[in-house]
Amino acid sequence: ESVLTQSPGTLSLSPGERATLSCRASQSVSSSYLAWYQQKPGQAPRLLIYGASSRATGIPDRFSGSGSGTDFTLTISRLEPEDFAVYYCQQYGSSPPRYTFGQGTKLEIK
Amino acid sequence: EVHLVESGGGLVQPGGSLRLSCAASRFTFSSSWMHWVRQAPGKGLVWVSRITSDGSSTAYADSVKGRFTISRDNAKNTLYLQMSSLRAEDTAVYYCARDATHGDFDYWGQGTLVTVSS
Repeated sequence: ESVLTQSPGTLSLSPGERATLSCRASQSVSSSYLAWYQQKPGQAPRLLIYGASSRATGIPDRFSGSGSGTDFTLTISRLEPEDFAVYYCQQYGSSPPRYTFGQGTKLEIK
Repeated sequence: EVHLVESGGGLVQPGGSLRLSCAASRFTFSSSWMHWVRQAPGKGLVWVSRITSDGSSTAYADSVKGRFTISRDNAKNTLYLQMSSLRAEDTAVYYCARDATHGDFDYWGQGTLVTVSS
């Protein structure tokens, strides 16, 4: 079973800066099945990116995803105050059905 | 917009049972695969279970297999999670989520808290 490891655990940046979040899989992941979510305190997660690089409905274009195989990246080009949250990557494997999340990266205001 | 509302959470003793519900609206529920995902206090997201659109196929995380049962009533637009033999480590906020057909979850409910404690 593939494990997702996110780094760093915590990222401290200022509004306006660029954020780069990493997600590494222990086994190769189909790009079609790699997603990213944002979660703010007390709220449900929100889908940001699916298929490794496609933005979900209503997601601003400052959010972008890239990568393939075992290494994936979420980039926020210019941080807005509302972007400070926890981010999770997630993969899907079909045999048997498994939906695995990374442990999360907390993006905090510096 | 898609609307998912969970209910049924609460305090239950170890070994007890609880049934969660998720009322769905503003989309064609009967065409959507659905999931339960949980989050222990201060921890990350963990997938629990999935059911196909017609209910013919289910899947479970190893940690809940044999104890939890996912089901749905398409006539009532409602998803369920029957939880039994509950343990302290099942304490979490339980979210229902819609499958987006790419193996990801495009809409989530607000969650319902389950606390397993004596």
